Amino acid sequence: NAGVTQTPKFRVLKTGQSMTLLCAQDMNHEYMYWYRQDPGMGLRLIHYSVGEGTTAKGEVPDGYNVSRLKKQNFLLGLESAAPSQTSVYFCASSYSTPGESGEQYFGPGTRLTVT
Amino acid sequence: AQKVTQAQTEISVVEKEDVTLDCVYETRDTTYYLFWYKQPPSGELVFLIRRNSFDEQNEISGRYSWNFQKSTSSFNFTITASQVVDSAVYFCALSEARSNFGNEKLTFGTGTRLTIIP
Repeated sequence: NAGVTQTPKFRVLKTGQSMTLLCAQDMNHEYMYWYRQDPGMGLRLIHYSVGEGTTAKGEVPDGYNVSRLKKQNFLLGLESAAPSQTSVYFCASSYSTPGESGEQYFGPGTRLTVT
Repeated sequence: AQKVTQAQTEISVVEKEDVTLDCVYETRDTTYYLFWYKQPPSGELVFLIRRNSFDEQNEISGRYSWNFQKSTSSFNFTITASQVVDSAVYFCALSEARSNFGNEKLTFGTGTRLTIIP
C-alpha cells in the first residue's frame, strides 16, 4: 500500500497563475482533507470531504477550490495564486465510523512557493 | 469552538533526560478525541496516539507515555530517556465526534519543537 500520495512535491508559481494539487489514497477511506502548514501556526484545515462527490469548507477556504470526483482522489485547486498561499500543503485521509474519530493518515506534503 | 494550546514553542534537553510536552484543549462537547502527531525533520506527519474522552487511563508505549486529565483539560506527552531521534515537532490535536458521520475536523495546536542535544 502506498498510503497517501501527493503530486507534485514542490512547485513554484508566479502570482496569478493557477495549479492543481493531487492527493490519492489507496486505503478506501471515506474522509479526505487538505491542510496548510505555516510557521508558528500549526496545520489549518482548508477543505475536507466526507465522501465521493461531497466537499465542505474548513478553517481557511478562501482562494482554494476542491473536488472529489473519485473516492480515492481529492484535488486542491488554486485559481489565481497569491504570495499569501506560499505554504506546505498536506493531504490526509481517515476512515469513518459513526460516533468515532479515527486517526488521519497524512501524505508527504507539497511545498508551494508563490512569487 | 474547539481550541488546542501548546504553550511550549521550543524545548531543548540533553540526551537521556526526560521531557514532557504540554497540551491544553478547549471543547464544549462531552465526546471528543485527542491525538498526538510527530513531524520529524523529513517533514512527514506520523501518528502517535488517539485517546477518546471517556478513557482517562494513562497510556505507555515504550519510552512514550501520555497523561490525560479531563479535570484540567490536558493531554500531556512524556518522553523518557530521550534520544536524538526524538528531535521533531510534536503536534497535539482535537476532534469533536458530534455527528453521525464521525471524524470531520481536526484542530491542531501550533506544535512544540523538541531538540535533543547529544
